[in-house]
Amino acid sequence: DAGITQSPRHKVTETGTPVTLRCHQTENHRYMYWYRQDPGHGLRLIHYSYGVKDTDKGEVSDGYSVSRSKTEDFLLTLESATSSQTSVYFCAISAGTASTDTQYFGPGTRLTVL
Amino acid sequence: AQSVSQHNHHVILSEAASLELGCNYSYGGTVNLFWYVQYPGQHLQLLLKYFSGDPLVKGIKGFEAEFIKSKFSFNLRKPSVQWSDTAEYFCAVNAPGSARQLTFGSGTQLTVLP
Repeated sequence: DAGITQSPRHKVTETGTPVTLRCHQTENHRYMYWYRQDPGHGLRLIHYSYGVKDTDKGEVSDGYSVSRSKTEDFLLTLESATSSQTSVYFCAISAGTASTDTQYFGPGTRLTVL
Repeated sequence: AQSVSQHNHHVILSEAASLELGCNYSYGGTVNLFWYVQYPGQHLQLLLKYFSGDPLVKGIKGFEAEFIKSKFSFNLRKPSVQWSDTAEYFCAVNAPGSARQLTFGSGTQLTVLP
């Protein structure tokens, strides 16, 4: 499973509170991603990183920020959580060359915003 | 921008029936194609992938997919499904060089009746 862990695995929080989700990988992959999964939408990319301190926005980045200060950790922060951010969040890494790039996923974090 | 369509949202089959799940994408250039499976309560696992070469690719657990470039399709097939194949199936596409970003379809829920 590409050595990806996510923490916490489950979290319940209240509207307006900050939340940080952590993704940790053990195999020194350069590319890391955060997705959210909602019924009927598949997975949608929130942010991704292509190196330490190098990040970019995805399709649904509003309300989210990320940081990557070490190769192995990619943090997703909801500055002020809203009920629309209730979702399952998956981290992924990219392995392979640019032409054979394949993403592998972590176990997910289920976030509920009340 | 790329998009991926999975027209079957929910498929119900009996054990031993044959399976074909549709996936169509919109992108005019070279693409890499993937099928992922998500068993209940679990993360996404890679079923199979296509980069180039033989358009018929075989994956794990007896699944295969055929890339038909003229139809922009990458349909997933299995000759005889089992109850344990009950899961959600996602098709995904990326274009080599697209900052390694995957675009997912909305998923197809497969229910196999014993």
